[in-house]
Amino acid sequence: QKEVEQDPGPLSVPEGAIVSLNCTYSNSAFQYFMWYRQYSRKGPELLMYTYSSGNKEDGRFTAQVDKSSKYISLFIRDSQPSDSATYLCAMSGDGSGNTGKLIFGQGTTLQVKP
Amino acid sequence: ETGVTQTPRHLVMGMTNKKSLKCEQHLGHNAMYWYKQSAKKPLELMFVYSLEERVENNSVPSRFSPECPNSSHLFLHLHTLQPEDSALYLCASSQDIASGDYEQYFGPGTRLTVT
Repeated sequence: QKEVEQDPGPLSVPEGAIVSLNCTYSNSAFQYFMWYRQYSRKGPELLMYTYSSGNKEDGRFTAQVDKSSKYISLFIRDSQPSDSATYLCAMSGDGSGNTGKLIFGQGTTLQVKP
Repeated sequence: ETGVTQTPRHLVMGMTNKKSLKCEQHLGHNAMYWYKQSAKKPLELMFVYSLEERVENNSVPSRFSPECPNSSHLFLHLHTLQPEDSALYLCASSQDIASGDYEQYFGPGTRLTVT
């Protein structure tokens, strides 16, 4: 079983739709949960991170963490064609001390059609 | 230059060649990382450096040899690679190891093809 599971998609939605991207994980010790966006031929760009459970909002983006279910989500409101990219979830902080070791999901490819 | 830069952006090498990838961060960070991104696979952490000291070697074959001469520069020396080593190699940095748990900044990557 992979430590982090993420549906690779592709996910195709019309412009203006609400997008829901999700990851599940197996290690209940994870403390930090991150979402990265990666455009084609570019490196990943950090969108937001959450510590422990709860929600975090930044503009059109909302990250949710449900530690009891080991499930995290990223919601994108009013999606735009410029949101078309691969979205990577990542996790860390498994209690073994600060190591900088991020565990990534495979990434979900999102296409927003005009 | 801003952020994290990587050179070259594309590299084609034969299995007997020796080449090096270069990463430079302009953020004043103290921790740097090498990752491998293969098609249809998650990013894999290869090496972690903190203040020029290697703190993590994630079971990477010896044909990959990292070097961190100072906190701004990171190299990945390659020799006797295999075709399955073809991938996007990404460099990242963070303020320190602790913040690396949640805030790493990536470069654009080097697309490596081994023939």
